[in-house]
Amino acid sequence: DVKVTQSSRYLVKRTGEKVFLECVQDMDHENMFWYRQDPGLGLRLIYFSYDVKMKEKGDIPEGYSVSREKKERFSLILESASTNQTSMYLCASSFPGPCCGHEQYFGPGTRLTVT
Amino acid sequence: KQEVTQIPAALSVPEGENLVLNCSFTDSAIYNLQWFRQDPGKGLTSLLLIQSSQREQTSGRLNASLDKSSGRSTLYIAASQPGDSATYLCAVKETSGSRLTFGEGTQLTVNP
Repeated sequence: DVKVTQSSRYLVKRTGEKVFLECVQDMDHENMFWYRQDPGLGLRLIYFSYDVKMKEKGDIPEGYSVSREKKERFSLILESASTNQTSMYLCASSFPGPCCGHEQYFGPGTRLTVT
Repeated sequence: KQEVTQIPAALSVPEGENLVLNCSFTDSAIYNLQWFRQDPGKGLTSLLLIQSSQREQTSGRLNASLDKSSGRSTLYIAASQPGDSATYLCAVKETSGSRLTFGEGTQLTVNP
């Protein structure tokens, strides 16, 4: 079974802090994604990565950056956390080959509160 | 731009009922469609993935169908149980790229 893990289930940070959210997958997937999920807005893509050191902006990249130094790990960084970044953050991974249809597997989520 | 809509937004049924959840998308040039389940405060669990060349996929009591030309998919749940209570989301992947476009989900409650 594919396993995607996230470093924290719950996180409370102060405004202005630098925040790191970590995601690790164990299936050698090329693609990794960071989403945020908010009531009434659904899932929105922040960034994704299709290979080590490769990244692309999603729909809402402002205020975020990412790092992918190893294939299995994809980090989301909030450079200076703000209260409007309070949200549920979800990481996902997928394999782009025809065998697997880009099926996305999700981690358990990190509920981030910025006070 | 692809848009995905799920109707109804919420559904409450008695245990044992068969039910259908709907998903529609605006651009029929899709690569596949995926159905997910999300329990409160948790991540998404993949239920079924239908390739664009397929008409349906089955897993246990779940059956998902795809009509690409009309831009619709349905998720059929047979003999619903209280443990099926969750939010169900559909997502489409277009023919290029790796991104998914998600619907906002249907919140299902199955009452004992």
